[in-house]
Amino acid sequence: AQKVTQAQTEISVVEKEDVTLDCVYETRDTTYYLFWYKQPPSGELVFLIRRNSFDEQNEISGRYSWNFQKSTSSFNFTITASQVVDSAVYFCALIGTSYDKVIFGPGTSLSVIP
Amino acid sequence: ETGVTQSPTHLIKTRGQQVTLRCSSQSGHNTVSWYQQALGQGPQFIFQYYREEENGRGNFPPRFSGLQFPNYSSELNVNALELDDSALYLCASSFDREDQETQYFGPGTRLLVL
Repeated sequence: AQKVTQAQTEISVVEKEDVTLDCVYETRDTTYYLFWYKQPPSGELVFLIRRNSFDEQNEISGRYSWNFQKSTSSFNFTITASQVVDSAVYFCALIGTSYDKVIFGPGTSLSVIP
Repeated sequence: ETGVTQSPTHLIKTRGQQVTLRCSSQSGHNTVSWYQQALGQGPQFIFQYYREEENGRGNFPPRFSGLQFPNYSSELNVNALELDDSALYLCASSFDREDQETQYFGPGTRLLVL
């Protein structure tokens, strides 16, 4: 079975602090893809990053960085110098080789306080 | 914005009624997936359509049905609405030859069943 766990339900940080959102996944597929999506109050899921199971290189995009560790089945997301506009619900997700359903975690609600 | 559009944005129905939600996929995308997101939860996969045929289905009863049209737009139909069907319904499109594993989401339709 495939499963995504995001243990942090809600996080509050003060603006300019760094914050890390945790994600742990389970899958029996040898090839799979991991994602992070951002969902602002408007409801639309915004794609942030995709990482395939064979690429464990960490990635940095501006203030965002991702740490993929296959050994611990984790795909954590760090926001550096957080801003109020980062306030949203963040979902970690997984898709296996069937490429049909994306399995989402329960989400982490991030509040950045000015 | 992803180019995926959904209509209507909001809808109120009563228990037992039927509803049809619509989705236009991003240009060039021939695969559409539907998700149900209950309040405070991650999206749950309903089904996927690829070139007008169902390509995968989640754990939803048969009263949830769908269609995909030759222009790759799609409909989600729900019969005999129940109170628990109240949710945000998200449509996502993807492209089968490139980047097939990444699904791009529309803004969603918020359905309230009274």
